[in-house]
Amino acid sequence: SYVLTQPPSVSVAPGKTARITCGGNNIGGKSVHWYQQKPGQAPVLVIYYDGDRPSGIPERFSGSKSGNTATLTISRVEAGDEADYYCQVWDSIGDHPVFGGGTKLTVL
Amino acid sequence: QITLKESGPTLVKPTQTLTLTCTFSGFSLSTSGVGVGWIRQPPGKALEWLALIYWDDDKRYSPSLKSRLTISKDTSKNQVVLTMTNMDPVDTATYYCAHSGGRNYYYYMDVWGKGTTVTVSS
Repeated sequence: SYVLTQPPSVSVAPGKTARITCGGNNIGGKSVHWYQQKPGQAPVLVIYYDGDRPSGIPERFSGSKSGNTATLTISRVEAGDEADYYCQVWDSIGDHPVFGGGTKLTVL
Repeated sequence: QITLKESGPTLVKPTQTLTLTCTFSGFSLSTSGVGVGWIRQPPGKALEWLALIYWDDDKRYSPSLKSRLTISKDTSKNQVVLTMTNMDPVDTATYYCAHSGGRNYYYYMDVWGKGTTVTVSS
């Protein structure tokens, strides 16, 4: 089964830039989606198709890919961005979606 | 506006079968391209995708749980039902349903329900 690897945690000071990575074999050939989950709440889609933002998601959130890694970048981080972030792709061999293990973003 | 709401028992005993219902509004599961999926999250752990069903009744299951899961839809009632057999305490989790508008490579979950918590205990 396809595996997505995320760092367990990332810390950043307010106003700085946070980068959360998602690694996977040949991830460049897949469409990557990102979800934000705040404590006690359901996940929210923040990036789809690698770098597109749903309506209502601030421009501070962006996505990119390079090599075997996709990156969610959050610029000018705010306290309200503190949450768990998950990447997701479609496993074309197993024919089902796969989530990464999640990254806890802490705003210092 | 798309909304989804999960419902079902909050407590089930080991070996029992869990039946969860996702009732939605704002879209039809007879519309081309639409899907509804189920995802769970054990306390303090990561999201785990379980199953999905598309508008054309095509279905997908998590390989590790495939033998225990069945997903179905009732288009007239705007509902998707997930059953999971032989429940175990490790299945204790919050279960979410979510809408999707893309397929395979394009599959992502753009609107989620609030989730329903299921505890497995004797």
